[in-house]
Amino acid sequence: GESVGLHLPTLSVQEGDNSIINCAYSNSASDYFIWYKQESGKGPQFIIDIRSNMDKRQGQRVTVLLNKTVKHLSLQIAATQPGDSAVYFCAESRGYQKVTFGTGTKLQVIP
Amino acid sequence: DTEVTQTPKHLVMGMTNKKSLKCEQHMGHRAMYWYKQKAKKPPELMFVYSYEKLSINESVPSRFSPECPNSSLLNLHLHALQPEDSALYLCASSPLGEDYNSPLHFGNGTRLTVT
Repeated sequence: GESVGLHLPTLSVQEGDNSIINCAYSNSASDYFIWYKQESGKGPQFIIDIRSNMDKRQGQRVTVLLNKTVKHLSLQIAATQPGDSAVYFCAESRGYQKVTFGTGTKLQVIP
Repeated sequence: DTEVTQTPKHLVMGMTNKKSLKCEQHMGHRAMYWYKQKAKKPPELMFVYSYEKLSINESVPSRFSPECPNSSLLNLHLHALQPEDSALYLCASSPLGEDYNSPLHFGNGTRLTVT
């Protein structure tokens, strides 16, 4: 069936280092991809999105890369801070409102 | 603080109870969503409303009954739930653009425990 998954369930990084969170998706018809951050006790928070006609998009300290050839999505966080500690989900949709979430990666920032 | 407000934050109910979860947004979004999230799992889509009409029902059991009274409010009515329905219930909203591709804005959820 359709799925969006992640390679690593937990990622530990040193404060100040860059973090890379990866995501694989299986539906080649997906045309919109989103990264969400979820802190304990809160709902998912939008970080950055990218459409299928792009391969890179940058925000403040975050960059999303999309490789449609291998159906891979990544989130890069520059100069990781303790406040970045959370679970990160990639999500995909196909031009209508059915947004499917991947399994999530827990990012732990070591001070 | 989130712009999507969910009440109550916590709810404990017995299997014979009837209760409702409420969600409110004032961003002018015309799509609203219910998601269910179990511990250490991703959110799973339950229902989508577009322009106050139910547009997606992900084969959710009838003991969950959604309602969208107006463009700002979304309810989830609960009746005869099972212990396995215990979860975090998340409400979200989004604008409806021409291609429907807009990020969801989530509330902080209602933590439901069914005893």
